[in-house]
Amino acid sequence: GAVVSQHPSRVICKSGTSVKIECRSLDFQATTMFWYRQFPKQSLMLMATSNEGSKATYEQGVEKDKFLINHASLTLSTLTVTSAHPEDSSFYICSGDLSTGGGTEAFFGQGTRLTVV
Amino acid sequence: GQSLEQPSEVTAVEGAIVQINCTYQTSGFYGLSWYQQHDGGAPTFLSYNALDGLEETGRFSSFLSRSDSYGYLLLQELQMKDSASYFCAVGRDDKIIFGKGTRLHILP
Repeated sequence: GAVVSQHPSRVICKSGTSVKIECRSLDFQATTMFWYRQFPKQSLMLMATSNEGSKATYEQGVEKDKFLINHASLTLSTLTVTSAHPEDSSFYICSGDLSTGGGTEAFFGQGTRLTVV
Repeated sequence: GQSLEQPSEVTAVEGAIVQINCTYQTSGFYGLSWYQQHDGGAPTFLSYNALDGLEETGRFSSFLSRSDSYGYLLLQELQMKDSASYFCAVGRDDKIIFGKGTRLHILP
């Protein structure tokens, strides 16, 4: 299967600072990547769809000015959590999807455990 | 909108068989997928059904009935390492939406 590398795996930051999370597709070109957030013992909630060379599409209720997404190349998408607060502490996961219509196989990065103190 | 329903927890004995059900309501349905997630890890893909019927991959099988908007994941010969959360997911348009997950507990 395809490989998606996500970095960092863990990060602790102070409240009010910004954190950047990188997601790289290592052996395929990802015109579309997805960012999810997962709170403990809960499901993966889709935050946004990252589109190479264009603006990301955010899900309802997700603040686009707080969660900045950049997809400047076919192999790299970044999520920046700006002015982080303790309630932003969560597990953030990116995925690439090789299908054209969704619903087949998503390849996930390793995830980033963000703790805001 | 879309929704997926699956049991929050299931308990089974090592060596046994367990079935995790999933019902869904969605528009623009492409197929039903299943993912496994161990604590602290990322989800990994298990199976995908686009058409009605049973798909078998080793100890894991997945079933889909489009007319009933229903599917299940069947795990056979359970091993302790199968203790994890299992998510059903549907493809809609160009997105994958996940259910709330089923926590599988395996007793020795």
